[in-house]
Amino acid sequence: DIVMTQSPDSLAVSLGERATINCKSSQSVLLSSNNKNYLAWYQYKLGQPPKLLIYWASTRESGVPDRFSGSGSGTDFTLTISSLQAEDVAVYYCQQYYSTPITFGQGTRLEIK
Amino acid sequence: QVQLQQSGPGLVKPSQTLSLTCAISGDSVSSNSATWNWIRQSPSRGLEWLGRTYYRSEWYNDYAVSVTSRIAINPDTSKNQFSLQLNSVTPEDTAVYYCARRGLGEVFDIWGQGTMVTVSS
Repeated sequence: DIVMTQSPDSLAVSLGERATINCKSSQSVLLSSNNKNYLAWYQYKLGQPPKLLIYWASTRESGVPDRFSGSGSGTDFTLTISSLQAEDVAVYYCQQYYSTPITFGQGTRLEIK
Repeated sequence: QVQLQQSGPGLVKPSQTLSLTCAISGDSVSSNSATWNWIRQSPSRGLEWLGRTYYRSEWYNDYAVSVTSRIAINPDTSKNQFSLQLNSVTPEDTAVYYCARRGLGEVFDIWGQGTMVTVSS
């Protein structure tokens, strides 16, 4: 199984400031035949289903604000929120879909400082 | 648009069977391009993929190793839905359970509303 490890476990950022969450996979999730990274990011708020933010490591889902961006390749990935808003308080998960079983990181709790 | 509607009890006794159903609208459980998944979320374990069912000329299932001995995910083509059965539950199975579609984009793009299941006597 591919193990996904996020850092940090929790993060407090001031409103309007940048938030950065890292995700590392135990093996590469880059498929060389199509040059795509099988890595997604989700936002989770209590009482709601997870919301897909980013897929293919850097493609923003339709309707997701452009302050959310994803980067990285191979085994190291980053989710960046460029200017934190109050509604961004949530737990963020990375997920690999390169191989079965699909696995998630342990989550990063993002709060307002 | 595609929607998933979950149903099932929110309280299950230890050692009994957890049963949930996910009704699909706007897509087909027999789709050749989607897979139909169950995922759970708990504070202690985070998001955990449990398994999937899908149709590619015949039916297939895949399950997480952690639950493979006591899980079954079955399609019901007559009702366009799929179900989760988890046997011999313990308090560690207490979680919010979600059904989700993995579509052409290969990510979980459509989710059910979630069912909080508590395992307690």
